[in-house]
Amino acid sequence: EDQVTQSPEALRLQEGESSSLNCSYTVSGLRGLFWYRQDPGKGPEFLFTLYSAGEEKEKERLKATLTKKESFLHITAPKPEDSATYLCAVLPAGSGNTGKLIFGQGTTLQVKP
Amino acid sequence: GAGVSQSPRYKVTKRGQDVALRCDPISGHVSLYWYRQALGQGPEFLTYFNYEAQQDKSGLPNDRFSAERPEGSISTLTIQRTEQRDSAMYRCASSLGTSGGTGNEQFFGPGTRLTVL
Repeated sequence: EDQVTQSPEALRLQEGESSSLNCSYTVSGLRGLFWYRQDPGKGPEFLFTLYSAGEEKEKERLKATLTKKESFLHITAPKPEDSATYLCAVLPAGSGNTGKLIFGQGTTLQVKP
Repeated sequence: GAGVSQSPRYKVTKRGQDVALRCDPISGHVSLYWYRQALGQGPEFLTYFNYEAQQDKSGLPNDRFSAERPEGSISTLTIQRTEQRDSAMYRCASSLGTSGGTGNEQFFGPGTRLTVL
């Protein structure tokens, strides 16, 4: 069964304190792994897509990496405005051509000034 | 350009009533998805359209749930004879395509919060 697990569930950081969020996945072949940011009361906002092990993507203070079993979202010198829930999702090869994403439960990040 | 829009943003209904939730995808996006999101959880897939064709409805919980996209643009998710357990945030997403590579990123709307009393 395709499954995505994110850890930790919640993370509190001081402004400037770098850390990483983990997304572990079990799928029958991976067509893509997606990271989203979700602010309270809003829909998920697309951040990155990763397709193969070893791939990396960066955007401002965020960097996403991918291995064959997990992905990390590294946050460098975070600011309070980075506070949000970060969602990881996989697109399994077994999903045919439907684009059906399987999401993890998310990591809620709070960055204190 | 405009993002994915959904209406209504909030819907309160009584148990047993039918509800219709609307999604207007990003212009030019051929793929449209419906998800349901419980508080503190990631979205859970319900159904998928490629243009007007419903190609995957494996996530619909039961036959009270149905969806259509008759002209390949706006979609409606209908829940008949609503029950309290149907209360949730219903989210719509759209993408250029699904074939892999650039273009299958899904962009989400703000959602419709459904409350069944």
